[in-house]
Amino acid sequence: TQLLEQSPQFLSIQEGENLTVYCNSSSVFSSLQWYRQEPGEGPVLLVTVVTGGEVKKLKRLTFQFGDARKDSSLHITAAQPGDTGLYLCADTGANNLFFGTGTRLTVIP
Amino acid sequence: NAGVTQTPKFQVLKTGQSMTLQCAQDMNHNSMYWYRQDPGMGLRLIYYSASEGTTDKGEVPNGYNVSRLNKREFSLRLESAAPSQTSVYFCASGLDYEQYFGPGTRLTVT
Repeated sequence: TQLLEQSPQFLSIQEGENLTVYCNSSSVFSSLQWYRQEPGEGPVLLVTVVTGGEVKKLKRLTFQFGDARKDSSLHITAAQPGDTGLYLCADTGANNLFFGTGTRLTVIP
Repeated sequence: NAGVTQTPKFQVLKTGQSMTLQCAQDMNHNSMYWYRQDPGMGLRLIYYSASEGTTDKGEVPNGYNVSRLNKREFSLRLESAAPSQTSVYFCASGLDYEQYFGPGTRLTVT
């Protein structure tokens, strides 16, 4: 059974700080997705990474896929209160998504 | 476009009661999914439907049934609710691994 571990579980930072959250798998990802979920809403897809070593940028968010395709990181530059939410990684798998447990980020104004 | 809609938004049931959670999408997606989200557990797949007329079990199907009524609608039924089914339920629809989620139903079973 695949294990997807996300760290840290909780993170609270001041507005303007930088941060990195991590997603590690016990097996090779098929491809990896990052989602953000705001309170009271469903997750929203941020990015899909497919190739080992791939780096994608989405405004202040930088996503990196490990060379061996077993880990990924999400770096946020100059965090803003609007970045607050639960960040989930997911393996696309054979037919469906398999989610990690998430990192709950709070950005304090 | 409304995207994915779910009803109801909140529900409280007593142990043993039954109910159906409704989901509809207007994006013409073939695939639809039901997940549950519990604290510290992430989202876990209950059932999915790859196309109209087909359904398959996910990671945690016990205690649930589903119906893919047509391409737009995918319902989740709890026949005899148990406290362990207290959770937030999300419906999603998708195309090529891009999944779009509804706002969720918060279910409490007492």
